[in-house]
Amino acid sequence: QSALTQPPSASGSPGQSVTISCTGTSSDVGGYNYVSWYQQHPGKAPKLMIYEVSKRPSGVPDRFSGSKSGNTASLTVSGLQAEDEADYYCSSYAGSNIPLFGGGTKLTVL
Amino acid sequence: QVQLQESGPGLVKPSQTLSLTCTVSGGSISSGGYYWSWIRQHPGKGLEWIGYIYYSGSTYYNPSLKSRVTISVDTSKNQFSLKLSSVTAADTAVYYCARARTGTIAWWGQGTLVTVSS
Repeated sequence: QSALTQPPSASGSPGQSVTISCTGTSSDVGGYNYVSWYQQHPGKAPKLMIYEVSKRPSGVPDRFSGSKSGNTASLTVSGLQAEDEADYYCSSYAGSNIPLFGGGTKLTVL
Repeated sequence: QVQLQESGPGLVKPSQTLSLTCTVSGGSISSGGYYWSWIRQHPGKGLEWIGYIYYSGSTYYNPSLKSRVTISVDTSKNQFSLKLSSVTAADTAVYYCARARTGTIAWWGQGTLVTVSS
């Protein structure tokens, strides 16, 4: 099983919007509506930001949104804030196999 | 609110077995519906699923680690454990325990750094 493909970096200025992609296959991202996104600040455990493609856990700002088209899922952060600077990982259920993670995207707020 | 806490040695010698335990509070492992997971992160790198266990004892392991991994559960103590045998420096990583469902991890432990070195 290969990891999901994410761009290594993304950036935007405060107030702007940034979209991070996550590409898999029909056996994972494209086959299930179980894509998650995690935010990780340095030295901290990952935090769930989006689950089941587009749902936000309680407490996650609505600036964070998720979507999916075919084998590619996306995370959009609108109204960028300094505290959004972090690493972001996507993950997808893959049936009875081990779920897959993306390689991670470092989001920089300029 | 569910809390998970990893415990175990922070230093393991090469060729030995890495052993970690995750203690769960605020929820029962036996309640079902969740997959109790181990995930690791090599220094400066991305996340890697190691495997997971259901309360019944059913396990799923990452094929790349399957020959060296054992995950077990002790419902009486509300704990689950990871054993990784024949470790090398490549197994140096932060190890997280977590609660997952259909690939979604809502609850993570804080993580514990395990260094493999003589």
